[in-house]
Amino acid sequence: GENVEQHPSTLSVQEGDSAVIKCTYSDSASNYFPWYKQELGKGPQLIIDIRSNVGEKKDQRIAVTLNKTAKHFSLHITETQPEDSAVYFCAASVAGKSTFGDGTTLTVKP
Amino acid sequence: KAGVTQTPRYLIKTRGQQVTLSCSPISGHRSVSWYQQTPGQGLQFLFEYFSETQRNKGNFPGRFSGRQFSNSRSEMNVSTLELGDSALYLCASKAGVNTEAFFGQGTRLTVV
Repeated sequence: GENVEQHPSTLSVQEGDSAVIKCTYSDSASNYFPWYKQELGKGPQLIIDIRSNVGEKKDQRIAVTLNKTAKHFSLHITETQPEDSAVYFCAASVAGKSTFGDGTTLTVKP
Repeated sequence: KAGVTQTPRYLIKTRGQQVTLSCSPISGHRSVSWYQQTPGQGLQFLFEYFSETQRNKGNFPGRFSGRQFSNSRSEMNVSTLELGDSALYLCASKAGVNTEAFFGQGTRLTVV
């Protein structure tokens, strides 16, 4: 089955700096790659997603890149703010089944 | 538009008992997936239901089962509870196959 590895497990940055989280996947059939943000006491919430026919997608301060050949995708957050502090999960999906990475705890220090 | 609703929010059960968790998806969403979230194992896929049929299944023992009703509401059942079943159980609904999943707040199950 699909295997998704996510790095780093924890990330601490200064407010205003950029943060990068990387994921690799094993199943070349995966064609949908969402990123979720989970705040304490809440369920994960989609922040950005990308499909396998696209290499990069951007939404304000958040961007995702996908390298299908290398089977890895990354989340980039620029100009980080304290409210960006949360756990971030990547996922790889095929035929409706999503496999999640183990999560990255991002701390943005003011 | 109401979000995904999971009930109850918190549950304490004793080893050996069984439990039923409920999930009401976003109106119009026919796909409901269930996940188990633990600190050590992350988010683990349990199963997905679409139009009352189980479409995908994760690697969990047969003690974990689910069903979906004609109104798309879903329940999951865990029988013969073990201490290791203590976790946050999340439900997510989707409008299509590979589309955004909307998660509920989860049910926190503690087995003592």
